[in-house]
Amino acid sequence: GQNIDQPTEMTATEGAIVQINCTYQTSGFNGLFWYQQHAGEAPTFLSYNVLDGLEEKGRFSSFLSRSKGYSYLLLKELQMKDSASYLCAVRDSNYQLIWGAGTKLIIKP
Amino acid sequence: DAMVIQNPRYQVTQFGKPVTLSCSQTLNHNVMYWYQQKSSQAPKLLFHYYDKDFNNEADTPDNFQSRRPNTSFCFLDIRSPGLGDAAMYLCATSRDGENEKLFFGSGTQLSVL
Repeated sequence: GQNIDQPTEMTATEGAIVQINCTYQTSGFNGLFWYQQHAGEAPTFLSYNVLDGLEEKGRFSSFLSRSKGYSYLLLKELQMKDSASYLCAVRDSNYQLIWGAGTKLIIKP
Repeated sequence: DAMVIQNPRYQVTQFGKPVTLSCSQTLNHNVMYWYQQKSSQAPKLLFHYYDKDFNNEADTPDNFQSRRPNTSFCFLDIRSPGLGDAAMYLCATSRDGENEKLFFGSGTQLSVL
């Protein structure tokens, strides 16, 4: 079967750095997405990786290693508004989007 | 601004009473999706349309139906809602069904009494 694994919950301090990991086992690979979802709201797009390496976008960066079936989302200079769930999703060989259950990130002052 | 709009934001229905959720988009995207998401779970794809071509996920219950009368609008019909159908329903679009990111509406939170 196809599977995306992410930690259920993480806690970090305002101003700090946090890394959210995602491992996947899918039938083929056609790209990996990270979405942010605040409680009771819809997911919003953060990043897309299809090649190995690091993609940086402001305070957020996303890394991909296809050989390891692994990605992480790095959030720097954490702000209280970053408290949300972070969803990892992978497109498989049929371009089906396989979603993880999300990592709930709690930011403390 | 181009966007995906879902109405209503919150919907309350009674057990067994049909309900329709609506979605519209001004992005002129080819693909429209309906997802069901329960608390702390991954979004679960119910259906998607590539233009007029309807694609039903194998495990989507028959109780759920969808219509896409034109490019801009898509509807989710729940014929006889059960308590287990209480969830957030998310509409999303993408330009194509391959490598493009999804744009989500704000969702409809459905409660079943």
